[in-house]
Amino acid sequence: QKEVEQDPGPLSVPEGAIVSLNCTYSNSAFQYFMWYRQYSRKGPELLMYTYSSGNKEDGRFTAQVDKSSKYISLFIRDSQPSDSATYLCAMSAWNRDDKIIFGKGTRLHILP
Amino acid sequence: GAGVSQTPSNKVTEKGKYVELRCDPISGHTALYWYRQSLGQGPEFLIYFQGTGAADDSGLPNDRFFAVRPEGSVSTLKIQRTERGDSAVYLCASSAQEGTEAFFGQGTRLTVV
Repeated sequence: QKEVEQDPGPLSVPEGAIVSLNCTYSNSAFQYFMWYRQYSRKGPELLMYTYSSGNKEDGRFTAQVDKSSKYISLFIRDSQPSDSATYLCAMSAWNRDDKIIFGKGTRLHILP
Repeated sequence: GAGVSQTPSNKVTEKGKYVELRCDPISGHTALYWYRQSLGQGPEFLIYFQGTGAADDSGLPNDRFFAVRPEGSVSTLKIQRTERGDSAVYLCASSAQEGTEAFFGQGTRLTVV
C-alpha cells in the first residue's frame, strides 16, 4: 500500500458546482496536511495546510482532516473555470527528519 | 528573493552528459527539498536538506544523482552520465521548518536526448 493514495481523475464538473477532492493515507504519524494546486507546466502552489485534525476554511476552499479514518478532503465551493488544474495532497509527520509525501494528484476540469 | 528560484527553467542535454540544476530557496528557510515529477504523476521525493546536511537522501534513485547545499542556502542537484529516463521536471521547495508547508519553485524541465 502506498503511503498516500489519491484518485488521479480526471474529474469534470460544471461551473458553480461544489468539488470534493480526497486522499487517504496509511502512516498514522502524519500531522501536517497540505493541498497544492498545479497548473500545466508550473510548479505546485500551496493552497492550504492544516495541522492535526479538523477543518480550515479560506474563501471558497475548505480543508478537512479526519485522522481516525486517515482521510483528508478539499472542498471547492462555487467552482470556476480558473480552478481547472491538478490538485495534490501532501503530508508529513512533525519530526525533524521527516519529508513531505505527495499524492499523485487529481486532474480537475471545471466546465463553463 | 520573494520565492523559490530554479535555474535553468529548461535544460536539454545529450545522453551521457553531466548536468547541474540550481535552487535558490526563500531567504531564511532552513529546509530544502528536491522532487522529481514525471508527466501525470505527483512529485517524487529525492532528497531533503536541513541546513547544510542531507537529512534524508533515500529518494535518490542511484549514485549518478548527488545534491549539495554547502552554505545552507543555495542547493545544486547534480546528475552524472544522464540517461533518457532522467527526463522529468525537477522541483525544488523550501520551508521555514522541517516537515511543514513547503513552497515550490517553477521547476527545471530536463530533457535527455
